[in-house]
Amino acid sequence: DIQMTQSPSSLSASVGDRVVITCQASHDIRKNLNWYQKKPGKAPNLLIHDASNLYTGVPSRFSGGGSGTDFSFTISNLQPEDIATYYCQHSDYFPLTFGPGTKVDVK
Amino acid sequence: QMQLQESGPGLVKPSETLSLTCTVSGASMKNYYWNWIRQPAGKGLEWIGHVYTSGITNYNPSLKSRVTMSVDMSKSQFSLRLNSVTAADTAMYYCARGYDRFDPWGQGTLVTVSS
Repeated sequence: DIQMTQSPSSLSASVGDRVVITCQASHDIRKNLNWYQKKPGKAPNLLIHDASNLYTGVPSRFSGGGSGTDFSFTISNLQPEDIATYYCQHSDYFPLTFGPGTKVDVK
Repeated sequence: QMQLQESGPGLVKPSETLSLTCTVSGASMKNYYWNWIRQPAGKGLEWIGHVYTSGITNYNPSLKSRVTMSVDMSKSQFSLRLNSVTAADTAMYYCARGYDRFDPWGQGTLVTVSS
C-alpha cells in the first residue's frame, strides 16, 4: 500500500494569511492526488483532484501542486470558514489511502 | 443535486456483523462506483472498498476477508456488511460516490462495537 504523510499535523493562522500544507507519498504517484476539506460533523468535500485541478464550485483561493511523491495544498487568503481538517488521498492504484490530516485553525 | 445518507445500527456486539445502507437521492445510481470509507475516532480515513452498479466489487485487502458490498438499484441503495467485528471496527462510517476520488459523501454514521 502507498503510505501518505502530511505536514504539519495542525496549524493556526490569521485571516488573510497564506497557508501551505504538504503531502508526501511513499511511492511515485505521478499526479494522482486529491485534497478534501472536512469540517466537524459534516461530510468531507472534494477540493482538488489530480494534484492541481480545482473541483467545480471550489473557491479559487484553494490550489494544489506537485507530482511524484511531493505535493502541496495552499489556501491563499485564509477565511474564517476555512477552519477544517484537510486530507490528501492518492488515487494511483488500489487500495486508495489517505493522509492523516492537517487541522487548520484561525487565530 | 445528489445526496447520500447512511443508515444502520449504531451499536454492534463483538463477533457479530455490522450492516449499513447508503441511500442515494437526487440522481441515478447508474454507471457509478459506490464506496464505503471509515474513520475511527482520532485516526485517519480508511477506504473499505467499492461496488459498481453492475455489482462488481473491489475491497481493501486489509478488510477483504470480512467485507461484502452490494447494490440495489431498485431502491437506490448500496450496502456494507462487515462480519466478525471487534472494538477496532468502531468508527464513523461514510458512503461516497466515485472510482478514485470521492464526491459527494454522506454525513456519516457512528458505529460502536461493544457488548
